[in-house]
Amino acid sequence: AQSVTQPDIHITVSEGASLELRCNYSYGATPYLFWYVQSPGQGLQLLLKYFSGDTLVQGIKGFEAEFKRSQSSFNLRKPSVHWSDAAEYFCAVGARGSQGNLIFGKGTKLSVKP
Amino acid sequence: NAGVMQNPRHLVRRRGQEARLRCSPMKGHSHVYWYRQLPEEGLKFMVYLQKENIIDESGMPKERFSAEFPKEGPSILRIQQVVRGDSAAYFCASSPGELNTGELFFGEGSRLTVL
Repeated sequence: AQSVTQPDIHITVSEGASLELRCNYSYGATPYLFWYVQSPGQGLQLLLKYFSGDTLVQGIKGFEAEFKRSQSSFNLRKPSVHWSDAAEYFCAVGARGSQGNLIFGKGTKLSVKP
Repeated sequence: NAGVMQNPRHLVRRRGQEARLRCSPMKGHSHVYWYRQLPEEGLKFMVYLQKENIIDESGMPKERFSAEFPKEGPSILRIQQVVRGDSAAYFCASSPGELNTGELFFGEGSRLTVL
């Protein structure tokens, strides 16, 4: 079955520290891959996406993610976290030719301590 | 430029009542998607619509839920005879075309509470 796993429910990092949020997927073929961020009481904002080509993709707010086919992973990274990055982060996958039926992980809540 | 607009932002209903959630996509977008987010869960796809057509409703519960996107006006997600388990955040998203041409743009959600 198709699924997305975000193993970490909650992560706390210090401001200025590096960050890596994990995402593993189970899919029949190479999917489209997304990371979204959700601030409390808000909708989701796209951070970055992978469709094809270079497996290291750059996104907004200084985030990047690397698609590793052999590990079925698409981990999100940021070299230096800011307090404003505190939010919930969702990894999602979609099939090529998909009609918007994205499969989301359960999310990782990020807390940033001063 | 207005983004995806959803209303109401918060809705309280008693069991057995009807809930209607509205979504106006971004200007120029003709594809609308509804997702549901239960507490402590990720988003679950419900339905994908284009103007006057339901394209994929594989995530919609078989009973009590319906969706439409008329030629004029917003998309409507309708829940009849609500039960406590319907309490959730319902998110609408839109895109200018099919997903493989770009991203989904999400609204801020409508939070339904069933008493």
